Amino acid sequence: DGGITQSPKYLFRKEGQNVTLSCEQNLNHDAMYWYRQDPGQGLRLIYYSQIVNDFQKGDIAEGYSVSREKKESFPLTVTSAQKNPTAFYLCASSIGSGTYTFGSGTRLTVV
Amino acid sequence: EDQVTQSPEALRLQEGESSSLNCSYTVSGLRGLFWYRQDPGKGPEFLFTLYSAGEEKEKERLKATLTKKESFLHITAPKPEDSATYLCAAPGQNFVFGPGTRLSVLP
Repeated sequence: DGGITQSPKYLFRKEGQNVTLSCEQNLNHDAMYWYRQDPGQGLRLIYYSQIVNDFQKGDIAEGYSVSREKKESFPLTVTSAQKNPTAFYLCASSIGSGTYTFGSGTRLTVV
Repeated sequence: EDQVTQSPEALRLQEGESSSLNCSYTVSGLRGLFWYRQDPGKGPEFLFTLYSAGEEKEKERLKATLTKKESFLHITAPKPEDSATYLCAAPGQNFVFGPGTRLSVLP
């Protein structure tokens, strides 16, 4: 079955540590996105990519980095510069119509 | 500024008690209004897209409608399995999501 796989499901980060969240899709979608979800807030866009080897900052890109070396993969690195990283992170892909397919999310906690 | 708001923030219904969720948007040049369902600890799942005022879409006990300034998600005779957070979203400069309505349907 086609879909988006995010891993790990739970991730714990120590202060000053960089961590990388994985996102893989087998839907052959060109566009991929990373969102952050906090309680009581809408999903906020971190980064997006419309094509391999190209990506754009979203509304809250500070403290995050991404790469898009393959169409299927769009990993997100949460750097030590992100001061409040505890959140639920969602990866999505689309064919450009606005109909997104989401992964199951990664819950990141700072310890 | 593009903005999507939803009300109520939370809604508790008895099984079979119909109600509506509201989504208001201020997005220039609306190119669709999207509804998603999100279960706890999971990613949102696409439900509907509406493109023009007066349009309606239905899926099981859910019906979405659209006016020029807002959209409604009507839930008819809900069941406990309809309990979830319902998100609406609209494409502005970026895709803008509302904060969601957390629906609980009690047996």
